[in-house]
Amino acid sequence: QKEVEQDPGPLSVPEGAIVSLNCTYSNSAFQYFMWYRQYSRKGPELLMYTYSSGNKEDGRFTAQVDKSSKYISLFIRDSQPSDSATYLCAMNSGNNRLAFGKGNQVVVIP
Amino acid sequence: GAVVSQHPSRVICKSGTSVKIECRSLDFQATTMFWYRQFPKQSLMLMATSNEGSKATYEQGVEKDKFLINHASLTLSTLTVTSAHPEDSSFYICSASSGSGYTEAFFGQGTRLTVV
Repeated sequence: QKEVEQDPGPLSVPEGAIVSLNCTYSNSAFQYFMWYRQYSRKGPELLMYTYSSGNKEDGRFTAQVDKSSKYISLFIRDSQPSDSATYLCAMNSGNNRLAFGKGNQVVVIP
Repeated sequence: GAVVSQHPSRVICKSGTSVKIECRSLDFQATTMFWYRQFPKQSLMLMATSNEGSKATYEQGVEKDKFLINHASLTLSTLTVTSAHPEDSSFYICSASSGSGYTEAFFGQGTRLTVV
């Protein structure tokens, strides 16, 4: 079983819709949970970072962590064409070594 | 956020030659740098972790003699792909962080390597 599972299926949504992404993980030592956005042929950029269970909101983005279920989510409200990118979840246990999901390619259609 | 510069952004080389990729932290001291490899539509796979002044720690299955990593200063790490073959063609990305334990890691823009 991979440490981090993220269904890599592409996701197309109309502009203004809510985008919902999620990852599951198996390593209970993970404490830090990140979402990265990666545009084509570019390096990932940190979008959201959460520690422990709960919700974190930043503008149109909300990250949720449920450590009891080993499940994390990212929601993008009022999606824009500029949100079209690949979104990768990542997590670690405090030692800087990140475990990444496969990523979801999101396309927001104007 | 802090800036990590990776160079070159793309390189094409002949099979059997070596290629060096540079990763620089421009506005902070990177005590730890990471090198990843990413195949199309796949996740980032960690290849190795390097701490300044120490030998790199390679992930299982990564050939240390083929992927030479040098982290001689707090702002520069290099990855040299030696005797490159077409199967080494991939997207290589570095990241850098400034502290021990968890601190945010900043990513370079990646290098597209094509071996012909």
